[in-house]
Amino acid sequence: EPEVTQTPSHQVTQMGQEVILRCVPISNHLYFYWYRQILGQKVEFLVSFYNNEISEKSEIFDDQFSVERPDGSNFTLKIRSTKLEDSAMYFCASSELVVNSPLHFGNGTRLTVT
Amino acid sequence: AQSVSQHNHHVILSEAASLELGCNYSYGGTVNLFWYVQYPGQHLQLLLKYFSGDPLVKGIKGFEAEFIKSKFSFNLRKPSVQWSDTAEYFCAVNAQDAGNMLTFGGGTRLMVKP
Repeated sequence: EPEVTQTPSHQVTQMGQEVILRCVPISNHLYFYWYRQILGQKVEFLVSFYNNEISEKSEIFDDQFSVERPDGSNFTLKIRSTKLEDSAMYFCASSELVVNSPLHFGNGTRLTVT
Repeated sequence: AQSVSQHNHHVILSEAASLELGCNYSYGGTVNLFWYVQYPGQHLQLLLKYFSGDPLVKGIKGFEAEFIKSKFSFNLRKPSVQWSDTAEYFCAVNAQDAGNMLTFGGGTRLMVKP
């Protein structure tokens, strides 16, 4: 079964540094998402992306976050200046359609900001 | 905005016991409902989904869930659990007029004792 793949599986960075989390969605999917889960908290929606544009974003997704599809396969989440509270598990997901289409998730990247 | 509540944070069962995990949501409109499972060290996998039609849906690995609209509930059931069902289970909802953006419950950790 096709999978969403995420790299790296674990990223440690210092406060104030920039990080880029990478995802390769399922190849025939057109809609991409980032979610995050802070330890002990709920999985939260960050952003959805389609046709090289952000479709929706949550209030968490402020100016320090950005997403990009730099080529035909990768989908990236950049955090410009990391803060301690950005430490979380970040999940990428993709779906085939924009509505009524289940999301397929990657294994996640655990980001630790020290 | 939607919200999702999962009442049980931790459940411990013996093999062959029956399972029911509660999920309630709040939203005034029409929703799609999902259960995802996360086995240790793995990605979120779709167990089952409800979009419309028969409110009793069957998923993979013998799981089923029943949508009771009047109770805003979508409880997950399995008649006889196995040790391999040890995982974290997440209920999720998306509003049908809001694309595929999911709102997750807090998750339930299930431990099945052999």
